[in-house]
Amino acid sequence: KAGVTQTPRYLIKTRGQQVTLSCSPISGHRSVSWYQQTPGQGLQFLFEYFSETQRNKGNFPGRFSGRQFSNSRSEMNVSTLELGDSALYLCASSSAGTSFHEQYFGPGTRLTVT
Amino acid sequence: AQTVTQSQPEMSVQEAETVTLSCTYDTSESDYYLFWYKQPPSRQMILVIRQEAYKQQNATENRFSVNFQKAAKSFSLKISDSQLGDAAMYFCAYRSASSGNTGKLIFGQGTTLQVKP
Repeated sequence: KAGVTQTPRYLIKTRGQQVTLSCSPISGHRSVSWYQQTPGQGLQFLFEYFSETQRNKGNFPGRFSGRQFSNSRSEMNVSTLELGDSALYLCASSSAGTSFHEQYFGPGTRLTVT
Repeated sequence: AQTVTQSQPEMSVQEAETVTLSCTYDTSESDYYLFWYKQPPSRQMILVIRQEAYKQQNATENRFSVNFQKAAKSFSLKISDSQLGDAAMYFCAYRSASSGNTGKLIFGQGTTLQVKP
């Protein structure tokens, strides 16, 4: 099976702009979770989507949003970018078929805000 | 709220030796899962080992094993016969067993492991 893919891999944006990141989960996985990774804050949970519904949300401002499509692909959007949004954004997919709900991570999108 | 703490920002080990990475967590839940993830310099996060809280037996995956002490809320990772390819950042992670939280991992700050030849 193909792994989790994320596009684009690298992105440079200017403060105030908005950005959309994409994540394609492993085939058959219905859950997609998003995380932000920064040197200062570490890995922080953004939100999880399951069957096109947001099931859980982390402690991030409303500028961060997401959605999931019927094929389980997910996008996250950050509006009005701030310098502090520079980070590696990771998505992970999992299957609801096991008790572990093991998450498989994508390679990430490196976002730089200037 | 649950928290995960890794108190060792950096560790080093000689190739073929054994190293233990520490992790403590705080939770009021009785049912949960614990994980160790590895993130090599290429950035792809990989699951190393996992533990169900209701199992007393420590998980083992080849050269990787854990010491799970539920009462102490401790979950350390032991890497035996360390190899150069083990060099990476290691993250300890917690996941609640409650149905609404299956997609949320809570991570520690990470431990960078250096393996010396």
